Amino acid sequence: QQQVKQSPQSLIVQKGGISIINCAYENTAFDYFPWYQQFPGKGPALLIAIRPDVSEKKEGRFTISFNKSAKQFSLHIMDSQPGDSATYFCAASGPYSGGGADGLTFGKGTHLIIQP
Amino acid sequence: NAGVTQTPKFRVLKTGQSMTLLCAQDMNHEYMYWYRQDPGMGLRLIHYSVGEGTTAKGEVPDGYNVSRLKKQNFLLGLESAAPSQTSVYFCASSYSRPTGNTIYFGEGSWLTVV
Repeated sequence: QQQVKQSPQSLIVQKGGISIINCAYENTAFDYFPWYQQFPGKGPALLIAIRPDVSEKKEGRFTISFNKSAKQFSLHIMDSQPGDSATYFCAASGPYSGGGADGLTFGKGTHLIIQP
Repeated sequence: NAGVTQTPKFRVLKTGQSMTLLCAQDMNHEYMYWYRQDPGMGLRLIHYSVGEGTTAKGEVPDGYNVSRLKKQNFLLGLESAAPSQTSVYFCASSYSRPTGNTIYFGEGSWLTVV
């Protein structure tokens, strides 16, 4: 059972445009929703994160929108630049179904290409 | 500041061979994790540890074992490698539980099992 569904799988955006990546989750116990950015040959790195008590968080050109009732959240990249070309993963944190400590459950990733 | 360091970076194994991946972090983090990344599958948690001497199973633990004898190190072992274990392995660490705490990843270990 996939607990975090991410779309689209790949995305091409023109330079200066808005990139939008969507995620949906099922587990209402999730209480933290980060986005990670990964460049080829590197490990993922935290980009921005949000808690369910707010509907939006903005850091520079990156914004997370959060809809608790719909169990959805999205990443918006404004004024997209070629340097933003990377794979983006949404994630959700909360108890594993098997109990024990919290962990991060990742979406399957979105390969973003910004065309110059 | 090295952060999270993984060794080796690349390895080719024959089916049935064993090997250990080593992860070291210099941030005094309590939590450590091993993930595997496969095309189109995202990152899946193999095992994790919430402190020295502790380990727990994640989402895909079968075929792997781990040990956390020292706080700064987290070892991932493959006792009898299988082609299905061909993957990129990422070690990660965080100060405490993931909620509200950044998880820092290493640069990955590329493993091929032939």
